[in-house]
Amino acid sequence: QLQLQASGPGLLKSSETLSLTCSVSGASITSSSYYWGWIRQPPGKALEWIGTVYHTGDTFQNPSLNSRVTLAADTSKSQFSLRLTSVTAADTAVYYCARFVGFDYYMDVWGKGTTVIVS
Amino acid sequence: QSALTQPASVSGSPGQSITISCTGTTSDVGGYNFVSWYQQHPGKAPKLLIYAVSDRPSGVSDRFSGSKSANTASLTISGLQPEDEAEYYCTAYTTSRTPLYVFGTGTKVTVL
Repeated sequence: QLQLQASGPGLLKSSETLSLTCSVSGASITSSSYYWGWIRQPPGKALEWIGTVYHTGDTFQNPSLNSRVTLAADTSKSQFSLRLTSVTAADTAVYYCARFVGFDYYMDVWGKGTTVIVS
Repeated sequence: QSALTQPASVSGSPGQSITISCTGTTSDVGGYNFVSWYQQHPGKAPKLLIYAVSDRPSGVSDRFSGSKSANTASLTISGLQPEDEAEYYCTAYTTSRTPLYVFGTGTKVTVL
């Protein structure tokens, strides 16, 4: 059974860099049918797509986050990661990692989410 | 990129049917059959209910159904049950510049 587990620091200060890792078990991240990515949800607000990464390293990102986002995939560890620089209080959110079905553009499996607070 | 528009709240009594709308543009909802719907209970991760406008993943109740007309997609919940009380989000693929995925504003469903 496919499982995704996000991990990373829960508390950051403004201007620091957020680094999150999503560990994938029960499936290979090298499957050609899937992308892997991140979605966040600020407290009491709607979901927001951050970006997706393919196992080859190709990435797609939400331009609203400008150049602050870096996505990467590590096939040897079955992990993918998110790096968000210069964080502010507006980046406080629950961050979810998910599997994206490439041919129909939807997220079929989600991790439980990890809370990030920027003080 | 603007979010897709959903009603803030919808309510119904057990056994009734309700419909949640998701309005976008010709660059997202209206342009492609790549609309999906998610259910989110408080403190939990979203769960996929519908993909490709009207397809249901295995394990999802057939009380949930999806459709689309022009720039508006809809999620219908039939035979409303107490456990259906949750937040619901639509998502669409978009080519309006980027991003690739745009979410709806979310709809709180209350079972009276």
